[in-house]
Amino acid sequence: NAGVTQTPKFQVLKTGQSMTLQCAQDMNHNSMYWYRQDPGMGLRLIYYSASEGTTDKGEVPNGYNVSRLNKREFSLRLESAAPSQTSVYFCASRAPTGMNTEAFFGQGTRLTVV
Amino acid sequence: DAKTTQPNSMESNEEEPVHLPCNHSTISGTDYIHWYRQLPSQGPEYVIHGLTSNVNNRMASLAIAEDRKSSTLILHRATLRDAAVYYCILRPGPISNFGNEKLTFGTGTRLTIIP
Repeated sequence: NAGVTQTPKFQVLKTGQSMTLQCAQDMNHNSMYWYRQDPGMGLRLIYYSASEGTTDKGEVPNGYNVSRLNKREFSLRLESAAPSQTSVYFCASRAPTGMNTEAFFGQGTRLTVV
Repeated sequence: DAKTTQPNSMESNEEEPVHLPCNHSTISGTDYIHWYRQLPSQGPEYVIHGLTSNVNNRMASLAIAEDRKSSTLILHRATLRDAAVYYCILRPGPISNFGNEKLTFGTGTRLTIIP
């Protein structure tokens, strides 16, 4: 049972380069999330997707785009990376039902922009 | 979104109980209280959640104040592996529309276990 899988685990980019962070879940969850976590800080929500075909902005969406490709996959794109986007990025998923359900997180992608 | 307030850090001795507090004075009647923790270099993991009654599971206990304006996560016998950042968050419930799917975290409490 893989849960939430993020790729890559580590990445170094030069300022201005673009890249896409991939996230996939195998739990048939409807909702998926992207967070960033700066050193010594809590998690900040970038974007989320409540279902296939829908996406919404979180707390810090500027500089990012997302795509909910299908129910399994939710990708995060940096079009022109900046040093301020150096962070650890976490993807999560959960299954919204009538009851509150837990979120499952991936192991993170550590991104450095130089 | 209703906000939670937690101490930035706490310390506890190994093999002693730990009580991690959370204030949520603006909680609504249908908000669930969820706790997650984040071990070093890992993604957060679910710990426990509750609505009104105290809850127990294999990881911890959750004590909820009668007025629901505060709650306490209880680790009954802390080990070194419990050193982590603990997040208290509120989730609207029941989930009746996708607008409630936003899931935000605060800065949490960094728990240090002293051997």
